[in-house]
Amino acid sequence: DTGVSQNPRHKITKRGQNVTFRCDPISEHNRLYWYRQTLGQGPEFLTYFQNEAQLEKSRLLSDRFSAERPKGSFSTLEIQRTEQGDSAMYLCASSRGGTEKLFFGSGTQLSVL
Amino acid sequence: GENVEQHPSTLSVQEGDSAVIKCTYSDSASNYFPWYKQELGKGPQLIIDIRSNVGEKKDQRIAVTLNKTAKHFSLHITETQPEDSAVYFCAAILNSNSGYALNFGKGTSLLVTP
Repeated sequence: DTGVSQNPRHKITKRGQNVTFRCDPISEHNRLYWYRQTLGQGPEFLTYFQNEAQLEKSRLLSDRFSAERPKGSFSTLEIQRTEQGDSAMYLCASSRGGTEKLFFGSGTQLSVL
Repeated sequence: GENVEQHPSTLSVQEGDSAVIKCTYSDSASNYFPWYKQELGKGPQLIIDIRSNVGEKKDQRIAVTLNKTAKHFSLHITETQPEDSAVYFCAAILNSNSGYALNFGKGTSLLVTP
């Protein structure tokens, strides 16, 4: 396993701009999760995919957020019209179907100026 | 959904001492409880987990205990070393609709001083 890979590691943007993050899960992991983590807090669940289907969204995922996993492999998370409150670490995790063990990537640190 | 509370928020111990971190959960149906370690600039790393049909699990210097009646579980680290310094998170399954997505506590920042 090469681990969960996230790109970019850091993103600085101006308020109002759109940003997109990418996550490559561990190969053969059919479940993929997005989390958000702010300073001093635990990761907060945003959404999850089983293969290409997005099966659950948190109420934290506003209309400005959209996630896709078009071929059931990598996933993208897009934030439109970024706000300063969007500044956070965005974490991706994956798991093998039927198991509870989640494996996290190193995250994308977003700073909205 | 599940609510997880974690204490203490910070913990400082001397090298060689033991460290204990405690968590409580709200949903009596929860049956899986992992612990993650997060170092600066990295994502959380699974270090140990326990299922509700087991009361205790050990892996070298790390152990987790579970009290289902009281709905709490604890992480025990013995013979602490400076490299154990990190933020530790407990978690529980968020709800049955979220495909094993986890709800995390707020974390415990552990500092092991030489």
